[in-house]
Amino acid sequence: QQPVQSPQAVILREGEDAVINCSSSKALYSVHWYRQKHGEAPVFLMILLKGGEQKGHDKISASFNEKKQQSSLYLTASQLSYSGTYFCGTEGSGAGSYQLTFGKGTKLSVIP
Amino acid sequence: DAGVTQSPTHLIKTRGQQVTLRCSPISGHKSVSWYQQVLGQGPQFIFQYYEKEERGRGNFPDRFSARQFPNYSSELNVNALLLGDSALYLCASSLFGSVQETQYFGPGTRLLVL
Repeated sequence: QQPVQSPQAVILREGEDAVINCSSSKALYSVHWYRQKHGEAPVFLMILLKGGEQKGHDKISASFNEKKQQSSLYLTASQLSYSGTYFCGTEGSGAGSYQLTFGKGTKLSVIP
Repeated sequence: DAGVTQSPTHLIKTRGQQVTLRCSPISGHKSVSWYQQVLGQGPQFIFQYYEKEERGRGNFPDRFSARQFPNYSSELNVNALLLGDSALYLCASSLFGSVQETQYFGPGTRLLVL
């Protein structure tokens, strides 16, 4: 099952904050976050593993709530370079599940 | 170190033709995964290979096939191309292919089927 991302799109002014959510109907063991700029390959941001941890990467952080089967990506004090489409990828449960299933993406536009 | 490389970068084919896309993983990585990304959607899993063995296959028809070579590079083949096969094809590499590892994407091959 494809994870559901929200919102579908968001427009921010430089310096504003944003939250992107990713939820799944299946039990999650890991959540991967990527950013993709137009015409480019997805770039890895962070991976969160089962355990409800929170990770940070400069002004971008994420949390993983395995009980709620969801993850949130937090972008603080947004910069123009944050613009792009953000994807979460989830791994299902069970042995042999080697594939990542990506959501449809959240398009983030940061304007001056 | 070089990242994941893919060739060609762009390709134009006509319906019914066959295409081969190539991927070289990051040095030391033994697993390669292939994804299809149509415009406006997230990448969709096609195959994963690890140590030359297919370890996972997504919901794609048998027209799609792949293989991995002893040097861990990989090829994706698509036969009898359809208009709907037009997409960005992404290759991702990781050390062991576990989804609890980081997967690094290549720049992709953009395929247009006319």
